[in-house]
Amino acid sequence: SQTIHQWPATLVQPVGSPLSLECTVEGTSNPNLYWYRQAAGRGLQLLFYSVGIGQISSEVPQNLSASRPQDRQFILSSKKLLLSDSGFYLCAWSISRVLVVGANVLTFGAGSRLTVL
Amino acid sequence: KQEVTQIPAALSVPEGENLVLNCSFTDSAIYNLQWFRQDPGKGLTSLLLIQSSQREQTSGRLNASLDKSSGRSTLYIAASQPGDSATYLCAVVFYQETSGSRLTFGEGTQLTVNP
Repeated sequence: SQTIHQWPATLVQPVGSPLSLECTVEGTSNPNLYWYRQAAGRGLQLLFYSVGIGQISSEVPQNLSASRPQDRQFILSSKKLLLSDSGFYLCAWSISRVLVVGANVLTFGAGSRLTVL
Repeated sequence: KQEVTQIPAALSVPEGENLVLNCSFTDSAIYNLQWFRQDPGKGLTSLLLIQSSQREQTSGRLNASLDKSSGRSTLYIAASQPGDSATYLCAVVFYQETSGSRLTFGEGTQLTVNP
């Protein structure tokens, strides 16, 4: 069966420090991978998605970047964190490119809570 | 631009009550709609997925309906229990010519079931 892992679960970082959140998927090949952010009291916002190794699409201009160095690994990074980067970050995967046909379900990791002070 | 709205934002009910959560979307040309549950500080768990050709899906005490023409979906929870307390989010998959298929979430309904 497929599983998705995110770490760290919780992170407190000072403004201006770097960030690295990691997400890995097991039990499947060539998944589509996504990073979402959920700010307090708000819905989910898609930040990045990737359909393959080295292929990253950015949805919104921001202080963050994403990389996919391996088929089942997706990393969210920042060189210098801002206060506004605080939030709950969720990684997700799907079998094929979003979700056009069939019962293609989006599956989420447990999330990483980032607090920037 | 596809927009997804969920009403109400928060709901508090006594245990045992049947309840309905609402989701509306502005562009009816969707491929499917998915309902998720999110417990505090946790990730999202998929509850039900309704494809555009379907009108409803059922899982246990949950029933989700879809009316594409009116841009609406409802999640019906029968005989609510305190363990149902969570935030429920709906998400629609639709197609954009510039960027392909996309998934857009509503902001969720925070449900509290009181014992």
